[in-house]
Amino acid sequence: AQSVTQLGSHVSVSEGALVLLRCNYSSSVPPYLFWYVQYPNQGLQLLLKYTTGATLVKGINGFEAEFKKSETSFHLTKPSAHMSDAAEYFCAVSSTSGTYKYIFGTGTRLKVLA
Amino acid sequence: NAGVTQTPKFRVLKTGQSMTLLCAQDMNHEYMYWYRQDPGMGLRLIHYSVGEGTTAKGEVPDGYNVSRLKKQNFLLGLESAAPSQTSVYFCASSYSGRQATGELFFGEGSRLTVL
Repeated sequence: AQSVTQLGSHVSVSEGALVLLRCNYSSSVPPYLFWYVQYPNQGLQLLLKYTTGATLVKGINGFEAEFKKSETSFHLTKPSAHMSDAAEYFCAVSSTSGTYKYIFGTGTRLKVLA
Repeated sequence: NAGVTQTPKFRVLKTGQSMTLLCAQDMNHEYMYWYRQDPGMGLRLIHYSVGEGTTAKGEVPDGYNVSRLKKQNFLLGLESAAPSQTSVYFCASSYSGRQATGELFFGEGSRLTVL
């Protein structure tokens, strides 16, 4: 069975500070890992994904995440927060790329302080 | 390119009423999904479809029915609405097979309140 745990339902950072959103997963098979972002009153959109290959993946808006198999983690980072980054972020895991078996974390709401 | 479109965006129902949410995608995706989003619970899969004419149950299917008569449309029905079905509903679609990228494409959501 697969599961996703996001540590911290709310995270606040100052503008210009490092953003770190934590995601740990469990999976009995090699996972596909995703981060999605949801702006207020909108649907989710893909930030980045890991399927195979390079473990450090870069996404849109300056975000990146590193797949660490030994730690079963896929933490999301951004060197310098911008006000426009305020949103809710969801980590998700899937066993393959094209099936229904996506498991979402409970989300982390990021607040950026001026 | 509209992507995934959901209608209606907002609806208020009384307990026991019925309604249908419509999802339409113009990306020729085989797979379509209905999720509900509740505070602190992330997204939970209600039903999904792997192609025209097929549907299957997800994690929380009770109280909902779905139909996929056309490839581009995926309907979610509530036959007798209950207050526990107050939620934000998201439709998503994805490629399959050789075109699969793993990405889900989401609609903007339908906010349903059941009084």
